[in-house]
Amino acid sequence: DAGVIQSPRHEVTEMGQEVTLRCKPISGHNSLFWYRQTMMRGLELLIYFNNNVPIDDSGMPEDRFSAKMPNASFSTLKIQPSEPRDSAVYFCASSQGAGETQYFGPGTRLLVL
Amino acid sequence: SQQGEEDPQALSIQEGENATMNCSYKTSINNLQWYRQNSGRGLVHLILIRSNEREKHSGRLRVTLDTSKKSSSLLITASRAADTASYFCATARGYDKVIFGPGTSLSVIP
Repeated sequence: DAGVIQSPRHEVTEMGQEVTLRCKPISGHNSLFWYRQTMMRGLELLIYFNNNVPIDDSGMPEDRFSAKMPNASFSTLKIQPSEPRDSAVYFCASSQGAGETQYFGPGTRLLVL
Repeated sequence: SQQGEEDPQALSIQEGENATMNCSYKTSINNLQWYRQNSGRGLVHLILIRSNEREKHSGRLRVTLDTSKKSSSLLITASRAADTASYFCATARGYDKVIFGPGTSLSVIP
């Protein structure tokens, strides 16, 4: 299996622009997680899905952030409009069950200027 | 509030020494997991230990779980420079999401 795939790996954008991050989970996994990691705040869970349904989005910072999972093999995290404080590494992870072993993607390193 | 918290926050040892990291948590759990993160990479799963287990091994890794004390430890024996990384514990309750601690930064000096 190719593992969790994220794209793009790096994104540099200007404040106010829309940013879309993409994730393909491991086939057969029914739980998908979006995390954000910064030096200041560490690893933060933004949202997670079970069977394509958002279960807990309490970690989404504000309305500028949205996430979708239209099918079992694809998810997006969108930031609109982006701000410099959104600069971070965003990870997607998937698992067979929300409380089981998670497999992380390589991350998307986002820089908002 | 955070479910799991690692201790120490940072650890520096010489190559060949053993490294021990601890994780304490607050409520009952179904399982506890340990992950490693090398600089600039995603987290990699190391070991999952369930609440009815007390000890698990994987290569040079040994994990213990004491549910009465709500704590776990990760022991890396005969450490190598390549073990330099951040180590996270994560706890799972029921069918809910896993919650990660802030991590321990391990430096192994050649």
